[in-house]
Amino acid sequence: DAGVIQSPRHEVTEMGQEVTLRCKPISGHDYLFWYRQTMMRGLELLIYFNNNVPIDDSGMPEDRFSAKMPNASFSTLKIQPSEPRDSAVYFCASSPRDTDNEQFFGPGTRLTVL
Amino acid sequence: QKEVEQNSGPLSVPEGAIASLNCTYSDRGSQSFFWYRQYSGKSPELIMSIYSNGDKEDGRFTAQLNKASQYVSLLIRDSQPSDSATYLCAVNPRHAGGTSYGKLTFGQGTILTVHP
Repeated sequence: DAGVIQSPRHEVTEMGQEVTLRCKPISGHDYLFWYRQTMMRGLELLIYFNNNVPIDDSGMPEDRFSAKMPNASFSTLKIQPSEPRDSAVYFCASSPRDTDNEQFFGPGTRLTVL
Repeated sequence: QKEVEQNSGPLSVPEGAIASLNCTYSDRGSQSFFWYRQYSGKSPELIMSIYSNGDKEDGRFTAQLNKASQYVSLLIRDSQPSDSATYLCAVNPRHAGGTSYGKLTFGQGTILTVHP
């Protein structure tokens, strides 16, 4: 069974450009999570969805960040405009309902904003 | 006080020894607890989950939970160089709606090095 799929795996962009990260959760999982990981701040939850509905976006750093989940098999995280301090690894994770929040992570997208 | 605290290490143990990783949490109502392993440049991988007080064993790994003392630990027996990684403790806090589902809070991770 395929795990969580993320694309692209690496993204290098210039400050001010729009960045879109993509995620396909594990089939049948009801919950989808977006995280950001940096050396300084560790692993931070940005937003999570339940059945495609955003439940908690309190971790989204500012209005430049937005996330959508148009259907059960696809989600995007968009940064517009991007800034150098957004450079980090962004992970998507998904979780089935009946495991009390056991989350399975995708391979991540390493974002570098120049 | 951080919500989930771990000793950042690095923790260095010889091959074949027992590695002991500890984690404390602040929310007394926390419901479930997880250990993730993260190799350098890779994503976190779930290795253990524990929900009730006591020990839970899975192969060379044993998770221990003490809710009264608000700590959870991971023991790795017969440590191997391939166990060298960062170990993240994650806690599922009390959910305001009364259900146990909610946001995982991660510790900063403990770097484990197993040397031959």
